[in-house]
Amino acid sequence: DVKVTQSSRYLVKRTGEKVFLECVQDMDHENMFWYRQDPGLGLRLIYFSYDVKMKEKGDIPEGYSVSREKKERFSLILESASTNQTSMYLCASSLWASGTDNEQFFGPGTRLTVL
Amino acid sequence: GEDVEQSLFLSVREGDSSVINCTYTDSSSTYLYWYKQEPGAGLQLLTYIFSNMDMKQDQRLTVLLNKKDKHLSLRIADTQTGDSAIYFCAEGQNSGGGADGLTFGKGTHLIIQP
Repeated sequence: DVKVTQSSRYLVKRTGEKVFLECVQDMDHENMFWYRQDPGLGLRLIYFSYDVKMKEKGDIPEGYSVSREKKERFSLILESASTNQTSMYLCASSLWASGTDNEQFFGPGTRLTVL
Repeated sequence: GEDVEQSLFLSVREGDSSVINCTYTDSSSTYLYWYKQEPGAGLQLLTYIFSNMDMKQDQRLTVLLNKKDKHLSLRIADTQTGDSAIYFCAEGQNSGGGADGLTFGKGTHLIIQP
């Protein structure tokens, strides 16, 4: 079974702190994604990566950056956390974009609170 | 841009059928997905359908696709309390390369009444 793990289930940070959210997948997937989930807004794509060191902006990249130094690991970075970044963050991975291989497998989520 | 719409809530009685509806705008969508999110958990793929199909059945789940109207539905027969969750419709394309995230609806909260 594909396993996508996220480093923390719950995280509390202060405004202005630098925050790292880590995601690891164990199935050699090419693609990895970071979403945030907010009530009434569903899932919104922040960034995705289709290869090591490659990244693309999603729908709401402002205030975030990402890093993919190794294929299995995709990090989301909040350079200076703000209260409007309080949210549930979901990581996902998929084998490839074509065919049914673009099925995405999700991690359990990290609930981040910024005070 | 692409858009996927779902109603936010659906309430059904235990044992009845649930029908969750979804509309999408991108006519080039190749694959359409239903994901389930239980409280406090990530999303799990329930089922998917290719755009050249109009129906897919998998045990208690039936997916219907009307490509002309860009309408997708998920029917859950004999709804149980364990079906209580948020159900997300998502669409994706066979882009032949590159990542391209899926486009998700906002999710439908399925509430089961005893």
